Amino acid sequence: DAKTTQPNSMESNEEEPVHLPCNHSTISGTDYIHWYRQLPSQGPEYVIHGLTSNVNNRMASLAIAEDRKSSTLILHRATLRDAAVYYCIRGGAQKLVFGQGTRLTINP
Amino acid sequence: EPEVTQTPSHQVTQMGQEVILRCVPISNHLYFYWYRQILGQKVEFLVSFYNNEISEKSEIFDDQFSVERPDGSNFTLKIRSTKLEDSAMYFCASSAGLGRPTNYGYTFGSGTRLTVV
Repeated sequence: DAKTTQPNSMESNEEEPVHLPCNHSTISGTDYIHWYRQLPSQGPEYVIHGLTSNVNNRMASLAIAEDRKSSTLILHRATLRDAAVYYCIRGGAQKLVFGQGTRLTINP
Repeated sequence: EPEVTQTPSHQVTQMGQEVILRCVPISNHLYFYWYRQILGQKVEFLVSFYNNEISEKSEIFDDQFSVERPDGSNFTLKIRSTKLEDSAMYFCASSAGLGRPTNYGYTFGSGTRLTVV
């Protein structure tokens, strides 16, 4: 049980920002929020993770709500290569549990 | 950037045969994992390994499966007698660990596609 809720699919245009939402209303205070993506025929790829404050790296930004019940992955300028399934995962004690994720389509 | 390496990339085996899938995790990582993904389905946790023993396993990881870290670098998944339903992509992953492995990002390998015929 992944215990996160994401839209099944989203669509965006190339070179525009993308905001991928995730709800995790039952998250505990010590669970990190992880985001991974899976391109076609490849393994999951780490995108970003955080606990309370917003996080930025070269791939994306993670905005975490103040109550930690939701978060948003932000791709600042989508490219065709960003088309993938994006997984929002609560970091349990010992392992990551994947849900169905959000299939992101990028239109040229 | 450090990588998790998996071999082979594709393996075809006959039903009932034993297979060994190999992984080289990132060298300073402490937690190691196997996941699998049946075609069209979600990524499923199989087993986690820490300090030379299994720390957690799923219901999928029955007596037909075993894991081993035979030396300081390799991490293997063995399926003793393969079934048709074992056909899937198998992903190895590692995490830095140091207390709570999910406080760190996981690095996944590119997977081994196992086809049982």
